[in-house]
Amino acid sequence: EDKVVQSPLSLVVHEGDTVTLNCSYEVTNFRSLLWYKQEKKAPTFLFMLTSSGIEKKSGRLSSILDKKELSSILNITATQTGDSAIYLCALIKAAGNKLTFGGGTRVLVKP
Amino acid sequence: NAGVTQTPKFRVLKTGQSMTLLCAQDMNHEYMYWYRQDPGMGLRLIHYSVGEGTTAKGEVPDGYNVSRLKKQNFLLGLESAAPSQTSVYFCASSYSSASTDTQYFGPGTRLTVL
Repeated sequence: EDKVVQSPLSLVVHEGDTVTLNCSYEVTNFRSLLWYKQEKKAPTFLFMLTSSGIEKKSGRLSSILDKKELSSILNITATQTGDSAIYLCALIKAAGNKLTFGGGTRVLVKP
Repeated sequence: NAGVTQTPKFRVLKTGQSMTLLCAQDMNHEYMYWYRQDPGMGLRLIHYSVGEGTTAKGEVPDGYNVSRLKKQNFLLGLESAAPSQTSVYFCASSYSSASTDTQYFGPGTRLTVL
């Protein structure tokens, strides 16, 4: 059975801190790993990772995939209160477009 | 473009009642999906469709039916609602190409079954 596990479940930081979120997986025929940010409503797309060791960056957010360790990390530097959200990791297998989601990490950034 | 829209936004049902959730997308996407989100469990796939006229079961299909009569619409039906179906329901759509795996989500429907 495919598994996607995110850690920690939740964390509280102060503005300016750096946050590292983890996503580990067990899946056959891996194709891509995706990160989403979910505030009050719909998840919004952050990154798609397909190749190991290549960092993707968008502003203060970055992510990297390690296929050997079957994991990915999402980093947020110089956090702001607007970064408060649930961060979701999801996998797509080689056949088909179905996403398998992890349980999410809830991040709260305090002023 | 409106993207992915869902109606209604909120609904309260009594056990045994039926209802249909509507998802519409204006991006000409081939693939459409219905998920439910419960606390601490991420999103779980209920049903999905790879094209007009086709549907398939996801991870948690029991108690739900779907139809994709038009490419832009994907309907999720609950024939006899149960309290266990209290959840937030998200619709999503994507292109069919493997090079663009991004799924675009609607704003969600919060359903409460009493």
